[in-house]
Amino acid sequence: DAKTTQPTSMDCAEGRAANLPCNHSTISGNEYVYWYRQIHSQGPQYIIHGLKNNETNEMASLIITEDRKSSTLILPHATLRDTAVYYCIPDGGGTSYGKLTFGQGTILTVHP
Amino acid sequence: ETGVTQSPTHLIKTRGQQVTLRCSSQSGHNTVSWYQQALGQGPQFIFQYYREEENGRGNFPPRFSGLQFPNYSSELNVNALELDDSALYLCASSTRQRSSYNEQFFGPGTRLTVL
Repeated sequence: DAKTTQPTSMDCAEGRAANLPCNHSTISGNEYVYWYRQIHSQGPQYIIHGLKNNETNEMASLIITEDRKSSTLILPHATLRDTAVYYCIPDGGGTSYGKLTFGQGTILTVHP
Repeated sequence: ETGVTQSPTHLIKTRGQQVTLRCSSQSGHNTVSWYQQALGQGPQFIFQYYREEENGRGNFPPRFSGLQFPNYSSELNVNALELDDSALYLCASSTRQRSSYNEQFFGPGTRLTVL
């Protein structure tokens, strides 16, 4: 599995966009980039995933650089409930299905 | 649709004892994965069960074992508890299909404290 580098922590004002970066320079061609988050005292929650193209869903947008060495998760209008640890996880599926490799993640704190 | 549930919520054991944690997967899911999350760390993969068979294991000793039942619920058993086994134990369920992507649905976890 590719190694990832994420900032240890980030702050964001409520209502503003939160942009969370992830470096995954060793990602292989068939590995997707997954993002999960874990709100305090809860299990992790899937947010979004992508391979090459930018993706958007009701929770967030994912921007992947053309060389696929990094990506950015965007929460367009952060709320206090978005305060959580955010994990970027490269994964190729297949035999690794269901076996996610979590790193340290980024602690996002949204302030009023 | 019922989500993933785990029991008990909290548990306190002493070193050397054995513990069983339980997980009910989300309706229709046939795959259960277990994770251990130490304080301040990301979850670490323990093992996965698919259709009642172990289907992959992380770097955990044999005293960590599991079961999956015909209704796809699952148990995690830990023998000879050590202090370092104190952690949040998470299970995640999903439906394995040929083109499935890795969206795992996690339960709230069981907090195990070993004294």
